[in-house]
Amino acid sequence: AQSVTQLGSHVSVSEGALVLLRCNYSSSVPPYLFWYVQYPNQGLQLLLKYTSAATLVKGINGFEAEFKKSETSFHLTKPSAHMSDAAEYFCAVSDTQGTGGFKTIFGAGTRLFVKA
Amino acid sequence: GAGVSQSPSNKVTEKGKDVELRCDPISGHTALYWYRQSLGQGLEFLIYFQGNSAPDKSGLPSDRFSAERTGGSVSTLTIQRTQQEDSAVYLCASSARASGGLNEQFFGPGTRLTVL
Repeated sequence: AQSVTQLGSHVSVSEGALVLLRCNYSSSVPPYLFWYVQYPNQGLQLLLKYTSAATLVKGINGFEAEFKKSETSFHLTKPSAHMSDAAEYFCAVSDTQGTGGFKTIFGAGTRLFVKA
Repeated sequence: GAGVSQSPSNKVTEKGKDVELRCDPISGHTALYWYRQSLGQGLEFLIYFQGNSAPDKSGLPSDRFSAERTGGSVSTLTIQRTQQEDSAVYLCASSARASGGLNEQFFGPGTRLTVL
C-alpha cells in the first residue's frame, strides 16, 4: 500500500531564506510523485510532478523537488522564500501500474509561514 | 476551458439531516475523486471513479457516506444522518487517464459543510 509522510505540520522561514519541505513515501511499485499547493482561500493546484523522466523536477514559482529512490524521499525546496509562498503544501503519491487504480494518496500537509 | 465546479459552495445543516454535494468534472476527464479536508488535517481520500470500472470506495468513513457518478460525468456525494464530525470541506477532483497513468488532478473549490 502506498503512503506519504510529511515531516512537520508547520514550517516557518524568513523572507529570502531557503525553503525545505520534507516528504517521504512508500510504494510497492515505482511511483508518480506530486506536490500540490493550496494558497489561502484557494483550491489546490499542482506545483510539480515526478514521472521518472528526471530525478530533479522544476515547478512553478521557483520550486523544485528531487526524487531520491534510496531515501524514498521527494523533498520540496526553494532557494529564497517570498512572502507570497505562504500556503499549505501537500505531497502526494500515485501508483504507476494501475494496481491501485491510480488512486492518489496525499500527505497531511505542511503549512509554510514566511516572516518578513 | 471550464474547470471543476462544485455546488453548493457552503452548506449548513442540522444533525441527522441528509445532504447531497455535487461535482461537475472537467469535460472528458474519466477519473473523479472525492476528498475530505478537515481543519488541521490533510486530505482524506473518500472515493474514486475511473470510467466504467467499479468505484474504489475504500476511503468512505461509514455506510452513511455514498457517491455515484452518472453517465461518467457529474458526481454526487451523499451523507445520510449527518453528524457534527462530518463538518469539513469536501473537495472534488478530476483527471484524464493518460497512457502510463499520469494523473495530475484538477481540484474544484470545495463545498464547506457545517453540521450544527
